[in-house]
Amino acid sequence: QSALTQPASVSGSAGQSITISCTGTSSDVGGYNYVSWYQQHPGKAPKLMIYDVSNRPSGVSNRFSGSKSGNTASLTISGLQAEDEADYYCSSYTSSSTQVFGGGTKLTVL
Amino acid sequence: EVQLVQSGAEVKKPGESLKISCKGSGYSFTTYWIAWVRQMPGKGLEWMGIIYPGDSETRYSPSFQGQVTFSADKSISTAYLQWSSLKASDTAMYYCARLYRSSSGSDYWGQGTLVTVSS
Repeated sequence: QSALTQPASVSGSAGQSITISCTGTSSDVGGYNYVSWYQQHPGKAPKLMIYDVSNRPSGVSNRFSGSKSGNTASLTISGLQAEDEADYYCSSYTSSSTQVFGGGTKLTVL
Repeated sequence: EVQLVQSGAEVKKPGESLKISCKGSGYSFTTYWIAWVRQMPGKGLEWMGIIYPGDSETRYSPSFQGQVTFSADKSISTAYLQWSSLKASDTAMYYCARLYRSSSGSDYWGQGTLVTVSS
């Protein structure tokens, strides 16, 4: 199975909103409402930010939101803050009963 | 407090075998899946597969099927990732993570185990 497709990088100014896309196929993103998003700071383990397309774990800021349309899922971060600068990965359950990650997106806060 | 604590960094030679561990605490180890995730130097996350410690059911991603083995010892709440013959291309950080179902997000992660394979 191929990795999900994410933009390599996105940037935004502090206080603005950005959206990161995650494109798959009908065998993964499009076929299930099981998309998750992770934040990873350099040298750290990933942190779950969104699960099941649009749900936030306890303790995650409501500035983070997720959605899905067809084969593409999206992560939106509103009110960008310096600490949001990190790598972001999407993942999806697949028809092979495993999961697959996206290639990752580096977010730069200007 | 939920914790996943992984074994320490390893330096191995090509062809050697290796088993790294992930010990869970603070939750019912047998009722959550454990995922293994690879991150090669400077690269993205790769889903290797999952194991359910309750009955040791395993599901491997196609890229890793036959290349690694997952196991678990529920008596000591520990999951394992094993190689029988390491290659230089296995050099990476390996993370374990907890999932409450095979399709869910991973809500707790280990600190990672760095495996370096070099002659």
